[in-house]
Amino acid sequence: GQSLEQPSEVTAVEGAIVQINCTYQTSGFYGLSWYQQHDGGAPTFLSYNALDGLEETGRFSSFLSRSDSYGYLLLQELQMKDSASYFCAVRSFYNQGGKLIFGQGTELSVKP
Amino acid sequence: DAGVTQSPTHLIKTRGQQVTLRCSPKSGHDTVSWYQQALGQGPQFIFQYYEEEERQRGNFPDRFSGHQFPNYSSELNVNALLLGDSALYLCASSFSGEKLFFGSGTQLSVL
Repeated sequence: GQSLEQPSEVTAVEGAIVQINCTYQTSGFYGLSWYQQHDGGAPTFLSYNALDGLEETGRFSSFLSRSDSYGYLLLQELQMKDSASYFCAVRSFYNQGGKLIFGQGTELSVKP
Repeated sequence: DAGVTQSPTHLIKTRGQQVTLRCSPKSGHDTVSWYQQALGQGPQFIFQYYEEEERQRGNFPDRFSGHQFPNYSSELNVNALLLGDSALYLCASSFSGEKLFFGSGTQLSVL
């Protein structure tokens, strides 16, 4: 089977750095994606790691290590608007057509 | 560009009824996927449509069916509604690659 594990909640203060981890069990996949979802809103794409290593997009960075079955999303210079749920997701080799498997999500609360 | 639009935004039904949800993909996108998201959970894949055909299906019963039209818009139909079908239903469109564009969803409540 395929599963992704994330912490359910993370709390941090404005201006800080926070890391949201994602560990997975899947026999093979194309890459690891991250999505952000504000309450009642649409999930929005943040980043995608096709290869091992770090991808940086502004204040957000994402990392993948296939050998460790592990990835993370790093948010820097936290802002109140970053309070949201964050989901990691994978598309396995055996799911032609783009079925994404999502983790349960991590609710990030940014405090003043 | 309007992005992915879904209608209606909210819906209340009773057990046993049938419901149809609608989705218009982002301009230029030809692939539509539907997801079910229960409160506090990640989205669960229902099925995906491409070229008016169901290309892939998740672990959902046959009560869940769909359709894609020549203009790439799509419908999700759920028959014989159960209380457990209460959830946020998300539509996502894509053209190629890994990035999905999601709509804001339809919040379905089954009483």
